[in-house]
Amino acid sequence: QKEVEQNSGPLSVPEGAIASLNCTYSDRGSQSFFWYRQYSGKSPELIMFIYSNGDKEDGRFTAQLNKASQYVSLLIRDSQPSDSATYLCAVNLNNAGNMLTFGGGTRLMVKP
Amino acid sequence: EAGVAQSPRYKIIEKRQSVAFWCNPISGHATLYWYQQILGQGPKLLIQFQNNGVVDDSQLPKDRFSAERLKGVDSTLKIQPAKLEDSAVYLCASSDALAGTQYFGPGTRLLVL
Repeated sequence: QKEVEQNSGPLSVPEGAIASLNCTYSDRGSQSFFWYRQYSGKSPELIMFIYSNGDKEDGRFTAQLNKASQYVSLLIRDSQPSDSATYLCAVNLNNAGNMLTFGGGTRLMVKP
Repeated sequence: EAGVAQSPRYKIIEKRQSVAFWCNPISGHATLYWYQQILGQGPKLLIQFQNNGVVDDSQLPKDRFSAERLKGVDSTLKIQPAKLEDSAVYLCASSDALAGTQYFGPGTRLLVL
């Protein structure tokens, strides 16, 4: 079992729709969760982080965390073609320092 | 505030040759990370430094990879000898020791022929 799992996609949504990206992780004791966006040929850039169960909103982005189910998700409202990218879920497994374990990423395509 | 700097941006070598990558973190960031990202996969941590000490290098192939951060600022990652499967993007990231947020540099794309 992979430690951090994501559906590789591609996930295709029409412009203006809500995109839902999901991630599961193996270590129940993990406390820190991050979403990075990576455009093709570029390096990952941080979108959001979440530490507590529930929802955290930042603009069009909402991160959702359910530690009991070991599940974290990212919702993108009013999706734009510029949101087309690979979204990487990263988890600080075992709360080991600042070390992150990344999932394989989900490729999102927003069609005009 | 300047971001994480890396050089070179691209490198093409033949297998069994050696190569070195350089990283300068965001000013004041005590923690520095090297990741390997193979095409189509997420980044995989190779080594983490806290100042000039190694925190974790459990996923670093030590028979061929080495890294150092002698003065606790910039860092060098070396591969010697390179194999075909080392073709990847090598990403450097840094973070404030007090927070988990990691900021990535532009990466070095390595192609081993």
